[in-house]
Amino acid sequence: SYELTQAPSVSVSPGQTASISCSGDNLGDRYTSWYQQKPGQSPILVIYKDSKRPSAIPDRFSGSNSGTTATLTISATQAMDEADYYCQAWDSSTVVFGGGTKLTVL
Amino acid sequence: QVQLQESGPGLVKPSQTLSLTCTVSGGSITSNSYYWSWIRQPAGKGLEWIGRVSSRGTVDYNPSLKSRVTISTDTSTGQFSLKLSSVTATDTAVYYCAREGYSLLGAVGSYFDYWGQGALVTVSS
Repeated sequence: SYELTQAPSVSVSPGQTASISCSGDNLGDRYTSWYQQKPGQSPILVIYKDSKRPSAIPDRFSGSNSGTTATLTISATQAMDEADYYCQAWDSSTVVFGGGTKLTVL
Repeated sequence: QVQLQESGPGLVKPSQTLSLTCTVSGGSITSNSYYWSWIRQPAGKGLEWIGRVSSRGTVDYNPSLKSRVTISTDTSTGQFSLKLSSVTATDTAVYYCAREGYSLLGAVGSYFDYWGQGALVTVSS
């Protein structure tokens, strides 16, 4: 079965750039989406179709996808960005989520 | 603004069937541009896709759950539902319903742009 691999945790200082990676076989051949989830809340879509942002998402959030790795980049990271982030892709008409990355802003 | 709301029992006994309904408002469940999915999340763990239904009633399921899952729509009420049979404690989770946009031209993929607030279902006797 298809798997998406994410690092369990990433730390970043306020104002710096955070990069969260997601890897999978030939991931660059399919669209990747990214979700932000804060404790006790439903996930929120932050990036879809590799690099598109929903209108309510700040332009500090960007995405890329090539080869076997998709990357979510958060520039000028703020304390409010501290959350779990999940990547998601499609495989044979089913959906696969990565295991999630906890972003700590300290 | 599209809104989704899960409803159903919060406690299910082992070996019984978990049943949840998702009510969609502010958007049409009959739209051909979207699928309607169920996703779950055990406490402290990641997201697991359960399955989806299209406006035409076609379904796709997570292979690991396929033998126990049934997802269906009721277009007259704007609802879609989940049934998971023979539940055990490992099925205890927050269950989310979500709208799934998709692309089948060029690169394929999907994204969940609207989510319900989630329904905690505990499997216990």
